[in-house]
Amino acid sequence: DTAVSQTPKYLVTQMGNDKSIKCEQNLGHDTMYWYKQDSKKFLKIMFSYNNKELIINETVPNRFSPKSPDKAHLNLHINSLELGDSAVYFCASSQVINEQYFGPGTRLTVT
Amino acid sequence: RKEVEQDPGPFNVPEGATVAFNCTYSNSASQSFFWYRQDCRKEPKLLMSVYSSGNEDGRFTAQLNRASQYISLLIRDSKLSDSATYLCVVTNTGGFKTIFGAGTRLFVKA
Repeated sequence: DTAVSQTPKYLVTQMGNDKSIKCEQNLGHDTMYWYKQDSKKFLKIMFSYNNKELIINETVPNRFSPKSPDKAHLNLHINSLELGDSAVYFCASSQVINEQYFGPGTRLTVT
Repeated sequence: RKEVEQDPGPFNVPEGATVAFNCTYSNSASQSFFWYRQDCRKEPKLLMSVYSSGNEDGRFTAQLNRASQYISLLIRDSKLSDSATYLCVVTNTGGFKTIFGAGTRLFVKA
């Protein structure tokens, strides 16, 4: 059983389009996260959610809108995609302050 | 100053060598500390948590010095399979904000 799953694994799209990435965890964790890993491999937190509530928003452009329909899901919708959005997006979950389990990542390429 | 700083390396070591990685963090109120490992084109995975008393897991030893805001990882008897990027991780804000260092690349050669 996959603990944290993300779909799609690869996403190639054109500038200006809107796209969504889905994340699901079956670990029963209360906290979920979105991270962006850019071409220099630097992993940066974007959002933290706890029990479906937004806790951390790290000055992410408002083109990025996370949504948590329930504790097990945290989706990321991106409007008006830009070239600079090209990166690997990782979803993760944890019980707060404990080990985070990461999904396999979604490799987004904006052309 | 970056919130979490690591030597990017790369470290190129032969099998069997001992290698040490260092990390410093800027927020003295940081609460939890970890080392993660990331293989090429894979997701990060927890290597070990880091405690003030120091902790060991097989060939890996982690140390935390809160006064100096410094974290270290020691790998003894390096294996080829240890080749990866090692990420120093600090949590703040009640544990909800996780800050990753840029990572230190390790190559272990036969």
